Amino acid sequence: SQQGEEDPQALSIQEGENATMNCSYKTSINNLQWYRQNSGRGLVHLILIRSNEREKHSGRLRVTLDTSKKSSSLLITASRAADTASYFCAAATQGGSEKLVFGKGTKLTVNP
Amino acid sequence: GAVVSQHPSWVICKSGTSVKIECRSLDFQATTMFWYRQFPKQSLMLMATSNEGSKATYEQGVEKDKFLINHASLTLSTLTVTSAHPEDSSFYICSARLTGKGVAFFGQGTRLTVV
Repeated sequence: SQQGEEDPQALSIQEGENATMNCSYKTSINNLQWYRQNSGRGLVHLILIRSNEREKHSGRLRVTLDTSKKSSSLLITASRAADTASYFCAAATQGGSEKLVFGKGTKLTVNP
Repeated sequence: GAVVSQHPSWVICKSGTSVKIECRSLDFQATTMFWYRQFPKQSLMLMATSNEGSKATYEQGVEKDKFLINHASLTLSTLTVTSAHPEDSSFYICSARLTGKGVAFFGQGTRLTVV
C-alpha cells in the first residue's frame, strides 16, 4: 500500500492546549498537504509544504517536513472546540499526474 | 478558495441498479479530477484520475467497468457505479485541481447505500 501512517490515530485534548499530529509517507513527493475533515463531510485544505521547505506557518498551524525521514508534523496551537475533526496528511507524488496519497488520519477531539 | 460541488450528497439504491455521482468545479476549470472512496473511520483511497477529454486512469484493483468515469468538460466529471451491490456502499469523494499540481479542492462527498 502506498498509504502512509499517521500518529496518533486519535487525540483528545482540552481547549487551549496544543495538538501535534505526525505523518509518515513512502513515496518521493513534490509537496505534502494537510487536510481537515468534519464527520461525514468533504475535505478542506489547510496547508501545503513543498519538498524543499522544512517548516511553514499559517495562523495557528505549523507544519514541518523532513524528507530524509519521509515524515511531517502538524501542530495546532491554542486549540478550540471547533478544531474537533479528523486531520489527514496527503503526499503529492512525483511524476506524471500528481496524485495525493492520504495517510490514515488523526481524529482530534478538543474538549471545552 | 475554489468550490467543488458534488451531487447527490446521499443516495440509497437497490442492488443491481446504477448510480451516477456528479462532481462540478463551480468557479474554475479543472484539468484533472480525482475520485476517492472512504470507508467508515478510514482514510481516502484513490480510485481513479480523470483528465478532461481522455480516458480515466484507474488505480490497481479498481474495476473500470464497474466504476465508469466520464470527464466530458473542464468543469464536470461523473462517476457511475454500475450494477451496485451492498459492498459498494461507501462514501465517495471527488476532488479537482486548477492545474496538474498543487492544492486539490474537494466536493462534499456522496454517501451511497446499496440495499
